[in-house]
Amino acid sequence: QITLKESGPTLVKPTQTLTLTCTFSGFSLSTSGVGVGWIRQPPGKALEWLALIYWDDDKRYSPSLKSRLTITKDTSKNQVVLTMTNMDPVDTATYYCAHRRLGYPFDYWGQGTLVTVSS
Amino acid sequence: DIQMTQSPSSLSASVGDRVTITCRASQGISNYLAWFQQKPGKAPKSLIYAASSLQSGVPSKFSGSGSGTDFTLTISSLQPEDFATYYCQQYNSYPYSFGQGTKLEIK
Repeated sequence: QITLKESGPTLVKPTQTLTLTCTFSGFSLSTSGVGVGWIRQPPGKALEWLALIYWDDDKRYSPSLKSRLTITKDTSKNQVVLTMTNMDPVDTATYYCAHRRLGYPFDYWGQGTLVTVSS
Repeated sequence: DIQMTQSPSSLSASVGDRVTITCRASQGISNYLAWFQQKPGKAPKSLIYAASSLQSGVPSKFSGSGSGTDFTLTISSLQPEDFATYYCQQYNSYPYSFGQGTKLEIK
């Protein structure tokens, strides 16, 4: 079955760079049509889509955060990495990674990881 | 960018009730609309895709409809486990966007 799990620091300081890793199983990111995305949710607030990477290395970013985000994949390790630069307290949120296939929405989600930005 | 607006933002209902949540897109998205259920401290769970198709394993008490800009999620015969926050999401065009959520509470 498909599973995803996020990992990374729980606390980062303002201006630092956040690096999150999504480790997945049950599918391959070399399979045509498959993608992995990142979505975040500030405490008590709504979901916000951040970035997506596809099997063919096509990458999509939220325009409002594009200058700060980089998404990469390591197909051999079944991992997707998201980096976000210049972190700010407003970036405090639970960060989720999720699986999708072209033409379909996110169907499998990781459990999420809470990242707090504070000095 | 496409804005997704859900109504109501919160809703009180009783066990056994039938409720409907509305989601409106700021421009047409065909049927590229998904619904998610989220319980406190948990990841969102996919309920419906393509506006009206049920994800595998999701009970038929959940149903979706709509196309273009206006969509609805209906939940029939509410049970205690259905009380949660529901989100719509468009995946017609980037940037993908979610509604602000509808919190369904027990009356």
